[in-house]
Amino acid sequence: QKEVEQNSGPLSVPEGAIASLNCTYSDRGSQSFFWYRQYSGKSPELIMFIYSNGDKEDGRFTAQLNKASQYVSLLIRDSQPSDSATYLCAVRDNYGQNFVFGPGTRLSVLP
Amino acid sequence: EADIYQTPRYLVIGTGKKITLECSQTMGHDKMYWYQQDPGMELHLIHYSYGVNSTEKGDLSSESTVSRIRTEHFPLTLESARPSHTSQYLCASSESVLRVGHNTGELFFGEGSRLTVL
Repeated sequence: QKEVEQNSGPLSVPEGAIASLNCTYSDRGSQSFFWYRQYSGKSPELIMFIYSNGDKEDGRFTAQLNKASQYVSLLIRDSQPSDSATYLCAVRDNYGQNFVFGPGTRLSVLP
Repeated sequence: EADIYQTPRYLVIGTGKKITLECSQTMGHDKMYWYQQDPGMELHLIHYSYGVNSTEKGDLSSESTVSRIRTEHFPLTLESARPSHTSQYLCASSESVLRVGHNTGELFFGEGSRLTVL
C-alpha cells in the first residue's frame, strides 16, 4: 500500500513568519511530487511541483525534495492570512499512473 | 487556468433518485479521476479511467458507476441516492506521460459538485 503522510495540524504561525510543512512517502519509485492548496469548500489548486532532489523556489514558496529520505517539504516565507488553508502533498508513481494524496495539513496564519 | 468543468455545482435531491454528475475537460487528457471528499476530510479516489472504454474502481468503495465513451467526458452516476452519498465530488484529469521539462504531470481539478441527499 503506497502511503503519503503529513501532520494533520492545525499548524499556526504568526503573519510574516515562515511556515514549514512536511510530507513523507513510502514508494521509492515515486517520480514527481506536488503541493496543492485547498481552501475550505473549494477544489485543490497546484502551487508547487518538484522532480529532482534539492530545492525549488517560486516566489514565497520553496519545495524541498530528498529522495533518499523519502521526504518532501514546503516552506512558505512571509506567511499571510490568505495562506490559511489545507495543504495537500501528492506523489505520482514511477509509472505515472496514479496519484497518492496525503491527508493534508491545516495551516492557520494569525494576523 | 484548468479547462475542466463539472455540473451541477450544487445539487439537493431526495432519497432514491438517480443522479448523474457531469465532468468534461478540453485538454485532451487521457486520464480522468473522480474523488470524494467530506468537509475537512481527506480526498478519496472512487473511480479512474486511463482512456476511452477504460474504467477502474478506486481505493474507496463506492456505489456509483462511471463511463468513458469519449475522451473529454467522464460522468458519474448514482442509481439510487441515499443520505450517505452526501459529499463533495471532485473530477480531475492529467496527461498520461510525464515529460520532464515539457509538462508538469499535475492533476487538474474541476470546481466540484456538492451533493446533498435528503
